[in-house]
Amino acid sequence: GAGVSQTPSNKVTEKGKYVELRCDPISGHTALYWYRQSLGQGPEFLIYFQGTGAADDSGLPNDRFFAVRPEGSVSTLKIQRTERGDSAVYLCASSFSLYNEQFFGPGTRLTVL
Amino acid sequence: AQSVSQHNHHVILSEAASLELGCNYSYGGTVNLFWYVQYPGQHLQLLLKYFSGDPLVKGIKGFEAEFIKSKFSFNLRKPSVQWSDTAEYFCAVTVADTGRRALTFGSGTRLQVQP
Repeated sequence: GAGVSQTPSNKVTEKGKYVELRCDPISGHTALYWYRQSLGQGPEFLIYFQGTGAADDSGLPNDRFFAVRPEGSVSTLKIQRTERGDSAVYLCASSFSLYNEQFFGPGTRLTVL
Repeated sequence: AQSVSQHNHHVILSEAASLELGCNYSYGGTVNLFWYVQYPGQHLQLLLKYFSGDPLVKGIKGFEAEFIKSKFSFNLRKPSVQWSDTAEYFCAVTVADTGRRALTFGSGTRLQVQP
């Protein structure tokens, strides 16, 4: 595809449930980033990957959040025991390398009831 | 840790007015600077970027930004706005000399252009 894609576009879940959010980066992009955007705020960094490994996961808020990128392409952000405060738009971005500009996907809007 | 401040939260302009959106960052070392735009219902798109060289950077759609290192600023400008420029604008920074590539964003400025 031409751009970064994210699925689902919307996810509604109940407090305490587990969710997975998927990101397909631009083909050939080795770096992949996850951000979270709350209403009225700019995106906040969560984690980024160079290839298959997490290069920096310092933005993950706690151990309920985890992300993988097993084959160096698609990435999944996993949230356990969701809380209402996790409600936000989760953005994925990719770049050709760590030193190029990041291209963003449309985001997944997560609502925790 | 670095931070980014966008002091204008909501700006309302008439078409053909000039635009300047403020952006200040806190880090004292070498930075890479970006402006992203989010049009209604669309995803974040890169407007322009500064890595090095000429501090006056030209981007898409007639936007430009000037990096003033002494003021820790990277203000966005456009001489004459159009109704289609209505969007939210985000300034962002990465710290070049630590190797950390995560973007730190400001809280955004919502621009409303009235016809």
